[in-house]
Amino acid sequence: EAGVAQSPRYKIIEKRQSVAFWCNPISGHATLYWYQQILGQGPKLLIQFQNNGVVDDSQLPKDRFSAERLKGVDSTLKIQPAKLEDSAVYLCASSGWTGGNTEAFFGQGTRLTVV
Amino acid sequence: AQSVTQLGSHVSVSEGALVLLRCNYSSSVPPYLFWYVQYPNQGLQLLLKYTTGATLVKGINGFEAEFKKSETSFHLTKPSAHMSDAAEYFCALGGTYKYIFGTGTRLKVLA
Repeated sequence: EAGVAQSPRYKIIEKRQSVAFWCNPISGHATLYWYQQILGQGPKLLIQFQNNGVVDDSQLPKDRFSAERLKGVDSTLKIQPAKLEDSAVYLCASSGWTGGNTEAFFGQGTRLTVV
Repeated sequence: AQSVTQLGSHVSVSEGALVLLRCNYSSSVPPYLFWYVQYPNQGLQLLLKYTTGATLVKGINGFEAEFKKSETSFHLTKPSAHMSDAAEYFCALGGTYKYIFGTGTRLKVLA
């Protein structure tokens, strides 16, 4: 079974530039998550999709971050403009959510460095 | 409110010694609990999970965890540490529509 695919693995940009990350979840998984993991911290949920609808985006900085999940499959996360504090690993995960008792499967993440 | 607390951001053990990583939770609904491991520059990998039933859960790589409702805990243990166990470990809480992660414990294994 193919896992969650993310690209790129690494990205370095200057502040105020824009960047986009891509995620392809496990086939058949209706739920997709984007997490931000700052060095030394646990993953923080940015946005959660159920199919192509947003379930939770309460911690997404909407003035600069946006995400979409077209056709309920692939997803992109965009940052525009980037700030230094956006330097982090962005993790995509998916699950066949059935009420919280199924685990999330994670991609390898995209490490973003903003200089 | 739901929350997860991991006690000890760094734990060091000698190779062959017992590993004990602590996790406490707070939940207003029956919790589903998970332990994930993260190796450098990798995503999170599931070690084990508790949903319902047996409170002692066995996972991969010789790890196990025990759900104790009275103590609201889900501590992770391994009888004998191996050098390859050095990584960061995250406890997570499910049970509503999302997962909540603890801040992580970095395990160091000393030769």
